[in-house]
Amino acid sequence: EDQVTQSPEALRLQEGESSSLNCSYTVSGLRGLFWYRQDPGKGPEFLFTLYSAGEEKEKERLKATLTKKESFLHITAPKPEDSATYLCAVQVDQTGANNLFFGTGTRLTVIP
Amino acid sequence: EAGVTQSPTHLIKTRGQQATLRCSPISGHTSVYWYQQALGLGLQFLLWYDEGEERNRGNFPPRFSGRQFPNYSSELNVNALELEDSALYLCASSIPTGLVYEQYFGPGTRLTVT
Repeated sequence: EDQVTQSPEALRLQEGESSSLNCSYTVSGLRGLFWYRQDPGKGPEFLFTLYSAGEEKEKERLKATLTKKESFLHITAPKPEDSATYLCAVQVDQTGANNLFFGTGTRLTVIP
Repeated sequence: EAGVTQSPTHLIKTRGQQATLRCSPISGHTSVYWYQQALGLGLQFLLWYDEGEERNRGNFPPRFSGRQFPNYSSELNVNALELEDSALYLCASSIPTGLVYEQYFGPGTRLTVT
């Protein structure tokens, strides 16, 4: 069964304290892995798509990496405005299955 | 470019009633997906529509249904509402990007069943 697990569930960082969020996945075949940011009561905001092991994508203070079993979202020198829930999702390589399987997210709080 | 829009923002219904939620995709996107995000749970896939047809559905009962119109907008209907249907309902639209379908989400409709 396809599964996505994110850790930790919650993370509190001081402003400027870098860290990483983990997303491990077990799928029959990976078409793509996605990272989203979600603010309370709002829809997820698209951040990155990763296709294959070894790939890296960067955007401002965020960098996403992918291996054959997991993905990491590295946050460098975070600011309070980076506080949000970060969601990982996978799209499996299966005909007729374009939907995303989501993890339960990591709730990040950055303290000034 | 306008993003995915959803209406209404909030909806309050009584158990047993029916709810109708609406979604307009990003211009040029032909696929629409519906997800449920209940409190404390992750996003759960409900339905996928493409070119007016239902292509796939998640593990939800038949009282969750919908349709896609010729302009690619979509409607989600929930019949015989139950208390546990209270959740944020999210719509996403997509377009093929290489081998994957990147999905862009709307702001959601908060459904409260009392």
